[in-house]
Amino acid sequence: QKEVEQNSGPLSVPEGAIASLNCTYSDRGSQSFFWYRQYSGKSPELIMFIYSNGDKEDGRFTAQLNKASQYVSLLIRDSQPSDSATYLCAVNPTWGSQGNLIFGKGTKLSVKP
Amino acid sequence: DTGVSQNPRHKITKRGQNVTFRCDPISEHNRLYWYRQTLGQGPEFLTYFQNEAQLEKSRLLSDRFSAERPKGSFSTLEIQRTEQGDSAMYLCASTTRGLAGHNEQFFGPGTRLTVL
Repeated sequence: QKEVEQNSGPLSVPEGAIASLNCTYSDRGSQSFFWYRQYSGKSPELIMFIYSNGDKEDGRFTAQLNKASQYVSLLIRDSQPSDSATYLCAVNPTWGSQGNLIFGKGTKLSVKP
Repeated sequence: DTGVSQNPRHKITKRGQNVTFRCDPISEHNRLYWYRQTLGQGPEFLTYFQNEAQLEKSRLLSDRFSAERPKGSFSTLEIQRTEQGDSAMYLCASTTRGLAGHNEQFFGPGTRLTVL
């Protein structure tokens, strides 16, 4: 059973701080990794993806991937109240490289003004 | 608006009734996915199309569920004899191999189903 694990939270950070969201996955052969943001009652919105070990930066967001440790993280710098949402980690497993993604349950982030 | 669209956005039905949802993917996207999401869970895969071919179905997709994509454009998901356990957000996503093949999927707004 291919699994993606996330701490459900809630993770609470003050405005302007760095929020760190973590995700582990069970399939060592997984290829690509995605972070989605989901506001309450809305659908997931793709914010970043990463497929090579190391860091990938996009504005205030940095995705980090460590395939040896089967670990992917998302850092949000200068957190804003508008970042308050559930962040879903998703993995593209080897056996369905163009098929479905496997999602974690999400981490709820709350940014306090 | 060139994103994924879904209709209806909300559906309330009585147990035992049939319901049908529609998804219109991003126009150049050849792959279309259906997921289901319940409260506190991540999206769970239901089925997937490449053009008009249904390539994969999850074991979550019981015999009461059927999906079609007859012309490789929009797709429909039908649930027959709905049960209260079918209450969920039904999400559609699309992608195309042109995006470096990493399978970035873009979601529509979802259809929230409530079965009374």
